[in-house]
Amino acid sequence: DAKTTQPNSMESNEEEPVHLPCNHSTISGTDYIHWYRQLPSQGPEYVIHGLTSNVNNRMASLAIAEDRKSSTLILHRATLRDAAVYYCILRDDGSSGGSNYKLTFGKGTLLTVNP
Amino acid sequence: NAGVTQTPKFQVLKTGQSMTLQCAQDMNHEYMSWYRQDPGMGLRLIHYSVGAGITDQGEVPNGYNVSRSTTEDFPLRLLSAAPSQTSVYFCASWTANTGELFFGEGSRLTVL
Repeated sequence: DAKTTQPNSMESNEEEPVHLPCNHSTISGTDYIHWYRQLPSQGPEYVIHGLTSNVNNRMASLAIAEDRKSSTLILHRATLRDAAVYYCILRDDGSSGGSNYKLTFGKGTLLTVNP
Repeated sequence: NAGVTQTPKFQVLKTGQSMTLQCAQDMNHEYMSWYRQDPGMGLRLIHYSVGAGITDQGEVPNGYNVSRSTTEDFPLRLLSAAPSQTSVYFCASWTANTGELFFGEGSRLTVL
């Protein structure tokens, strides 16, 4: 299974943009890039996902490198409520017989937001 | 919608006791999974199911059993609890249409 690499921790100031990197150099052509976050004492929640093109939603933006070997989750204006562990994971779409149901999470990036 | 519901939220067991963590989803999702999360660690996949009657092992299946008799329910059974199974357990469900996982709030298990 393709793996992802993220920094253990990052720090940001409130109301400033945050760029959370993820490396996935062994990504396959059928892997979607998913981001989840886990607030303290809660289950993970979906943030955003994409395949090749950059994606935007109400929570964040996802910038995907042209070679798809890395991606960046962008929080445009960090708030204290964005302090969480952010996970970058790959999900095979199953079209080529890959395991799209075995989703593995690494340790993620702990984001600290300073007031 | 209730989403993914896990019970109980907290449980203390003695070594050797058995118990079942319940997980139910009301979104008609075909896929369901159980993860465990130890302090300072990410989530590790225990078992997963791709539909009613079909289950398979994840990364850390030893000591756990699962079954999927209905689309809605995916219980996780600990037959003989060990201190190493002290952890927070998360159940998740999703559909192939979107691939977005929905997680329960977690069940904190302590084995003494």
